[in-house]
Parts: sequence; C-alpha cells; structure tokens
Amino acid sequence: GQSLEQPSEVTAVEGAIVQINCTYQTSGFYGLSWYQQHDGGAPTFLSYNALDGLEETGRFSSFLSRSDSYGYLLLQELQMKDSASYFCAVGYGQNFVFGPGTRLSVLP
Amino acid sequence: GAVVSQHPSRVICKSGTSVKIECRSLDFQATTMFWYRQFPKKSLMLMATSNEGSKATYEQGVEKDKFLINHASLTLSTLTVTSAHPEDSSFYICSAKTGPSGGELFFGEGSRLTVL
Repeated sequence: GQSLEQPSEVTAVEGAIVQINCTYQTSGFYGLSWYQQHDGGAPTFLSYNALDGLEETGRFSSFLSRSDSYGYLLLQELQMKDSASYFCAVGYGQNFVFGPGTRLSVLP
Repeated sequence: GAVVSQHPSRVICKSGTSVKIECRSLDFQATTMFWYRQFPKKSLMLMATSNEGSKATYEQGVEKDKFLINHASLTLSTLTVTSAHPEDSSFYICSAKTGPSGGELFFGEGSRLTVL
C-alpha cells in the first residue's frame, strides 16, 4: 500500500519562510508532487520532483530525497494568500495518492 | 496549462435520486481521468480511475454500482451517484493528466453534492 505523512497544521507570519515535510512509504514510486488547495476550491499544482534535489518555482521550492523517502515544500516570503491546505502526492503507476494535508495559516 | 471543467459546481438532491457530474478536458485529450472524494478538512480520496473506452478501475471499498463512471470520449468522463443518500454528501473532484508521465494533475473545480 501507499502511505504519506505530513504535519496537520503550520502557522507562520507574513514574510517568513516555512517548510512543510512529507514522508512516504510506497511501492512503484515515480515522483512527489505538491498541491495547494484553498477552502472550497480545487487543488492546484505547485511542483513535482522525479529526481533527488531541489526544484525552484518562484517563491516555492520543493525537495526530494528518494533514499530517505522524504520531501518538503518550502514557501518563502509568505503572503496572506498562502493560507491554504498543502498536499504532497506520490505518483505510482498511473495513479496518485495524496497525503493527509497540512493546513498553513499565515498571520499578519 | 491544461484546463479541466467540472459541472455542476453545486447540486442538491433528494434522497433516492441519481445525480450526474461531468468532467471535461477542454484543451487536451485525456485518456485517463481520476475521480476523488473529499470530506471537510480531509485529504482527497481516490475513488476510481476512468479510462476512455473501457471500464473504470475502482479503489477498494468504493461501490461500483453506486458510483457509475463512464468515459465515453477522450474529453469527457461522468460520475453518476445512484440512489443518493445523505451519507453520499461530499465534495467530488475530477482530475486528468495530459500525458502518461509527469507529476502534474489538472483538477476540475469540484462538485459539492448535498443529499437531503
């Protein structure tokens, strides 16, 4: 089976940097993705790591270590609009399994 | 990026009726679409994988006869909740990939079903 773990909640202030970790146990792992979901909305894609290392996309970066079955999403220069739920997702075969999600609250 | 459209965004129905939710890929062909269910403040639970021209693959514990999935074309998949009951009330979301590889899923807007 597939299982992922994330912290349930994270709180930070505007302008800060926050890291959301994701550990996974899967078979047939293809890559680790990150999605953002605001309340009442659909998830939107943030980043994808198929190989070890850091991927940077603007204020967001994502890291993967396949040997450690671990990854993280790094959000820099936090803004109020970043308050949302963040999900890591593992791709295997043609499917994806989502982590439990981390609710990020950005305070003024 | 690719666009996936889902309709209706909200639906309220009486217990015992059936509800159909449509998921369309607007600017690409999706041989595979995925249907998820999400409870408040919870993660996305994969219900089934919809394959164009063949039967859907359901996840363990998902009732095939209750959640009918049809993927009749490369741009349309439908989920029909049959004989709906209040416990079927949930947020249903479809998604698709543009190709066989890669880590990006494109999601529809989601459909909030309320069964009275």
